[in-house]
Amino acid sequence: EVQLLESGGGLVQPGGSLRLSCAASGFTFTSYVMSWVRQSPGKGLEWVSSITGSAGSTYFADSVKGRFTISRDDSKNTLYLQMNSLRAEDTAVYYCAKVRHSAPDPRDGFDIWGQGTMVTVSS
Amino acid sequence: DIQMTQSPSSLSASVGDRVTITCRASQTIIRYLNWYQQRPGKAPKLLIYDTSNLQSGVPSRFSGSGSGTDFTLTIFSLQPEDFATYHCQQSYSTPLTFGGGTKVEIK
Repeated sequence: EVQLLESGGGLVQPGGSLRLSCAASGFTFTSYVMSWVRQSPGKGLEWVSSITGSAGSTYFADSVKGRFTISRDDSKNTLYLQMNSLRAEDTAVYYCAKVRHSAPDPRDGFDIWGQGTMVTVSS
Repeated sequence: DIQMTQSPSSLSASVGDRVTITCRASQTIIRYLNWYQQRPGKAPKLLIYDTSNLQSGVPSRFSGSGSGTDFTLTIFSLQPEDFATYHCQQSYSTPLTFGGGTKVEIK
């Protein structure tokens, strides 16, 4: 079964850091661009970041550029999101998602999503 | 950045109704438009990709159409499990962007 399982969410103070992980199974992880998408409480979806297989290229939303880092360990089938200098507006459920095509291009739909992990930035 | 505008933001409908949701892009995205269904407390689920292609396992009562800047999701004969929020997303360029969502509620 194709599955994504996020972990690492929690409560953090403004200015703090957090690292999210996403364990993948059931597909050839290294072949796919992986992404993070977030959803603030009661709001719509916001793409955060993507990374191509073998960590060839990374892409970020302007709202997180310079503060967040995306990485992957293809030997462990795991995706990461390192979040620094966190702000209240980063409070959201963070989903990891797999793109549809096995091409090194982040421009695609997301066919597999994790269950999400909640990040709350508050003092 | 490409802005995606969905309408309506919410609607009320009955089981068996035909429902239409629209999504407009601020510039052409050709046919790189995807639709998702999200039930409360759950992750989004891909319904339709590249405007009109049904994702595997999605019932045929879901249909997508459009091109350029204007797109439509139609649900023929709404079922109880279809009451959810629907999101559109453009995959023409980064940053990838989503519409604000359309909540389909029971009348």
